[in-house]
Formats: sequence, structure tokens, C-alpha cells
Amino acid sequence: GAVVSQHPSWVICKSGTSVKIECRSLDFQATTMFWYRQFPKQSLMLMATSNEGSKATYEQGVEKDKFLINHASLTLSTLTVTSAHPEDSSFYICSARAGVTTDTQYFGPGTRLTVL
Amino acid sequence: GQQLNQSPQSMFIQEGEDVSMNCTSSSIFNTWLWYKQDPGEGPVLLIALYKAGELTSNGRLTAQFGITRKDSFLNISASIPSDVGIYFCAGQGADDKIIFGKGTRLHILP
Repeated sequence: GAVVSQHPSWVICKSGTSVKIECRSLDFQATTMFWYRQFPKQSLMLMATSNEGSKATYEQGVEKDKFLINHASLTLSTLTVTSAHPEDSSFYICSARAGVTTDTQYFGPGTRLTVL
Repeated sequence: GQQLNQSPQSMFIQEGEDVSMNCTSSSIFNTWLWYKQDPGEGPVLLIALYKAGELTSNGRLTAQFGITRKDSFLNISASIPSDVGIYFCAGQGADDKIIFGKGTRLHILP
């Protein structure tokens, strides 16, 4: 299957700093990428949907000014957690889809964010 | 919003036993998906179901898309130690979003 990578795989930062997480589709062009958040022992919750070259669509309750998403190319989307706080500590997972809605979404390995 | 009820929450079984878990929804989905997630990893797709009534196998795994389009089950036959992990059902609706169940944690007793 298609490969999606995330970088970094884990990050520890101080409260108040910003952290950028990258999601790359390695062997296909991803017209749409999705960002999820997963708290310990919880399910994956969709945060936002991003289409290449356009603004991301955020789910209800997700602050767009806090979680900045940039999908500048067909192989790269970034999620920036701005002014991170301890409650933002979570496992962030992206997925990527090549084309139409029936195409499979391929998930990345996740990024563990810990805010001190 | 749409919610998925996945059960059981956890299972403790002996190696070699068969496993069954299911998901129900208050809404209709166009696609049902089953994923496995290992600790510290992203979910990996096991089976995708696209038609009501569809029964699909992937090795020792079998899943079915319910006739009502509001439910699905996953069976694992003859479990082995590497089956340990968290299994998530997920539904994909007309809005293209994937909604995940809360997961079933599978433990295999030594």
C-alpha cells in the first residue's frame, strides 16, 4: 500500500512554544490530507481536512488559529500547534488520500507531542 | 453528530480462540472500515467494505457490512500473539469524513 510519513515521530516542547508536524505522502500525490488527534486510550478524532492549495476545513471545536494547517503541495501538509499548552499533549496522526472520496486514506505513523 | 458504538471494549482470550467484535451506528455509512493500531503507531487498514451485505475476508479476518448500513462486524479466527492490539471500526459517510469507534483492545493470555 501507499506510504505516509510523519516528522517528527515525537517531540517535547515547553509551554508557550509552537511545534510544526509534517505529513508526507511518499509514493503518491495526496489531494486531500486529514489531521487527527488521539488522547491516551481514546479513539482518533478528526481535527481538520486540508485540500492542496486551499484553506483547511476544521471540525467543530477545533481552533483554527491554534492549529495551523498548510497543504502547500500534493505531497506535504503541515500542522503547527501554536502556543502549545500541556492539554495539547496528544498523539497527532495524519492521513492522505490520492483522489476521489472513494479512494483509501492511508495513515501516517503518528507524532507524539508532549508539552511541559 | 454521528457516533459509533463498538463492542466489546476489551477482550481477553486464549491463543487459538476465535474473536468477534462489532460496531453499530445511529447513521448510515457508505463505507465501513476496520483498522488495527499497535502502541505508538498509526492505524493500519485491515478490511474495507463498500456495499451493504458485503462479506470480505483478509486471511484469518472476516468482516461484513450490515444490510441496514448501520453496523459491521469483524471476526478473527485462530488468534495468534501478533493479533494483540487495538481494533477500530470506522464509518465513512457521504461527507467523506471517517468516524472512528472507540476501539476494542485485544489481549491474548499466555
